[in-house]
Amino acid sequence: DVVLTQTPVAQPVTLGDQASISCRSSQSLVHSNGNTYLEWYLQKPGQSPQLLIYKVSNRFSGVPDRFIGSGSGSDFTLKISRVEPEDLGVYYCFQATHDPRTFGGGTKLELK
Amino acid sequence: EVKLVESGGGLVLPGASLKLSCIVSGFTFSDYWMRWVRQAPGKGLEFIGEIKPDGSKTNYAPSMKGRFTISRDNAKNTLYLQMSSVRSEDTATYYCARSGPLGADYWGQGVMVTVSS
Repeated sequence: DVVLTQTPVAQPVTLGDQASISCRSSQSLVHSNGNTYLEWYLQKPGQSPQLLIYKVSNRFSGVPDRFIGSGSGSDFTLKISRVEPEDLGVYYCFQATHDPRTFGGGTKLELK
Repeated sequence: EVKLVESGGGLVLPGASLKLSCIVSGFTFSDYWMRWVRQAPGKGLEFIGEIKPDGSKTNYAPSMKGRFTISRDNAKNTLYLQMSSVRSEDTATYYCARSGPLGADYWGQGVMVTVSS
């Protein structure tokens, strides 16, 4: 199975700061069709997960442009510029390139 | 408006079976892959499996394969998760989600399953 390792486990931030989350895969996430199916989700406290980013860098409808996904191969990053209160929660990366699909362990974005 | 509503959870004895449902509305159900994901209390998200739009193909996490079965009834706009021989480690909130190459873009509110004697 593909293992996704997220760092850090917790990211204390001040509102207005930038935050960065890493997601490293145990193998390349480039599909045989050339696409890379790496997704990012945010789970706010008491809520269902919500899609932020698909195929590495594409923002889902309505996601603010302060969320930026980047990376390639097996190394990916989610950057959140100018963190706002509604950005707090747990972020998960997810790969849909290989079977079985897998999630990263999560990164909690919290206030300092 | 896209809606996904899970049901069928509750308290269940170890070794028993349980079938969760996810009724969807607001989109053409038969056009989409569907996914089940669970979350144990205080833990991260765990992929259970997914099913092709016509129901002809399913993928499962290895730890779920054999005990969990995903199916769908496109005429009833309903996704199912059949759980058998449940154990305490299956205690979790279970989510259904609409999925595809552009990610899991809509999720249900989740349904809690507690396995305990």
